Amino acid sequence: ETGVTQSPTHLIKTRGQQVTLRCSSQSGHNTVSWYQQALGQGPQFIFQYYREEENGRGNFPPRFSGLQFPNYSSELNVNALELDDSALYLCASSSPPGLAGFSGELFFGEGSRLTVL
Amino acid sequence: AQTVTQSQPEMSVQEAETVTLSCTYDTSESDYYLFWYKQPPSRQMILVIRQEAYKQQNATENRFSVNFQKAAKSFSLKISDSQLGDAAMYFCAYRRPLEGKLIFGQGTELSVKP
Repeated sequence: ETGVTQSPTHLIKTRGQQVTLRCSSQSGHNTVSWYQQALGQGPQFIFQYYREEENGRGNFPPRFSGLQFPNYSSELNVNALELDDSALYLCASSSPPGLAGFSGELFFGEGSRLTVL
Repeated sequence: AQTVTQSQPEMSVQEAETVTLSCTYDTSESDYYLFWYKQPPSRQMILVIRQEAYKQQNATENRFSVNFQKAAKSFSLKISDSQLGDAAMYFCAYRRPLEGKLIFGQGTELSVKP
């Protein structure tokens, strides 16, 4: 069973640039969510994708956008980067609610560390 | 809105001893999931233990157990026989059954002294 993988692991951008982060979900999972974790803080929910549609969003501006592909992998795009966007970005996958064996658990990748200068 | 609070930013325990991490939450829901996740320096969130709100029995996973007090909205984690590898950030998290979103607390950094 392949776990959640994210790329890149680290990247540095300058203010105003755009960034794309990628995530491959765990085998059998069709739901992907993204979280932003600032240094010393708990992760904050950005949004979730299910069957290629966004179906939940946290308190993040529209310059945070995403995609989910038919193979359930996902991208997080952030435009017009600001210094406060510096954080660890975590991707998590899960099986959909209602499926037999659904545990409620999210499975996380190791994250992408973004530094905005 | 649901919130999760961890009031202990840092905790320390001697190897082989027991430590309890605290978590309280606020919700008007009757059915939900609660989790404790561990985040070592490698950054990957690893599930430690989960509890379904409709189950009165406290969850246990080897050296890890919870004290779930639904009426008090409290969900503490007890680690018995602490090991050096238990040192990490621990996050308490809440999830509604049909929502993907996890709501995390601020975390507790646990150090284990040899």
